[in-house]
Amino acid sequence: DQQVKQNSPSLSVQEGRISILNCDYTNSMFDYFLWYKKYPAEGPTFLISISSIKDKNEDGRFTVFLNKSAKHLSLHIVPSQPGDSAVYFCAASVAGYGGSQGNLIFGKGTKLSVKP
Amino acid sequence: ETGVTQSPTHLIKTRGQQVTLRCSSQSGHNTVSWYQQALGQGPQFIFQYYREEENGRGNFPPRFSGLQFPNYSSELNVNALELDDSALYLCASSLIMAGASGYTFGSGTRLTVV
Repeated sequence: DQQVKQNSPSLSVQEGRISILNCDYTNSMFDYFLWYKKYPAEGPTFLISISSIKDKNEDGRFTVFLNKSAKHLSLHIVPSQPGDSAVYFCAASVAGYGGSQGNLIFGKGTKLSVKP
Repeated sequence: ETGVTQSPTHLIKTRGQQVTLRCSSQSGHNTVSWYQQALGQGPQFIFQYYREEENGRGNFPPRFSGLQFPNYSSELNVNALELDDSALYLCASSLIMAGASGYTFGSGTRLTVV
């Protein structure tokens, strides 16, 4: 039973255009959502997060939108650059779940390719 | 500021053997979390250590165990290895109050069980 789903295994975008990566979740107890970026042979790096009390969070070229009623979030990258080519993971957590603040539930990831 | 270092980077073990993976946390961090990433999957939470005690555990059997040392480094031990244990094992350090947005991941240890 996958609680966090990224239904697009891959996405290809032209440089300068917008990249939209989607993520759906099933557990209504999730109250904090994160996006991580992963390059080959490296560990994931934190990109941006959003609390369930917000519907939008922006950081430079990256914006995350949260639609709680639809249990859906998306990551927008504008403009996309070739260096953004990586695997993007959506993750969710419940604060204090199991006594662990860091118990993240990850999706399977979406591989983004930005073509020059 | 040093990052998270994991060792070894790769290793091959035989089914039934035991393995120990190591993680040196980032300077100043007091919490270590371990994740297993099978091929084509997202990372899956194994457990977290804080102040040398287990501070939460995912859905993994007891043959997965860990330690955290006074310098905040950590070990992941897996006994009676199974073929399905083949995966990338990721360690992430953080400050306990920073939560997951404060995670710094290592590059992982690729374990192959044959």
